[in-house]
Amino acid sequence: QSALTQPASVSGSPGQSITISCTGTRSDVGSYNLVSWYQQYPGKAPKLMIYEVSKRPSGVSNRFSGSKSGSTASLTISGLQAEDEADYYCCSYAGSSTFDVVFGGGTKLTVL
Amino acid sequence: EVQLVESGGGLVQPGGSLRLSCAASGFTFSSYDMHWVRQATGKGLEWVSAIGTAGDTFYPGSVKGRFTISRENAKNSLYLQMNSLRAGDTAVYYCARALEDGGMGFDLWGRGTLVTVSS
Repeated sequence: QSALTQPASVSGSPGQSITISCTGTRSDVGSYNLVSWYQQYPGKAPKLMIYEVSKRPSGVSNRFSGSKSGSTASLTISGLQAEDEADYYCCSYAGSSTFDVVFGGGTKLTVL
Repeated sequence: EVQLVESGGGLVQPGGSLRLSCAASGFTFSSYDMHWVRQATGKGLEWVSAIGTAGDTFYPGSVKGRFTISRENAKNSLYLQMNSLRAGDTAVYYCARALEDGGMGFDLWGRGTLVTVSS
């Protein structure tokens, strides 16, 4: 399976909203509502922010939301804060004949 | 405290072997599917393997036949046996817990252990 496609970088000013896209294929994002998003600070482990396209784990701010249209999933962060500056990765189940998982290449979010 | 702690990383020559361990605590380890995910320096995340609560195992093509995931529920431990290591396997290896009831998402991660494959 090929990696999901994410923009290398996005930026926004405090208080603004940004959206990170994650483009897959009919074999992964397009076939399953099993997309998750992770936030990662330098040198730290990833943190689950969104699962099953749009569900938020307990403790994750409601400024983070997820959606999907066709083979493209999106993560939207509203009311940008300096602490949101991090790398973000999407992930999708990609199994058809066998279990498989694919990640996106990651997006560096810069808060200006 | 709910946590995962990896160990066993280090420097190994190409063609060599290494066994990673992941110690789980603070939750019922046997009730969760577990995964290994790796990240090369400055690169993205890559799924490496999974093991279900029943011991069923899964791998991507890049490591199938070389890596073996296993678990020992009595010791709350997850393992990754890595054989025929290549330079491209150099990465930080994280163990990760899947969402409850086998959900697709990793809600608990360890800090990772660095594996360097080099002569």
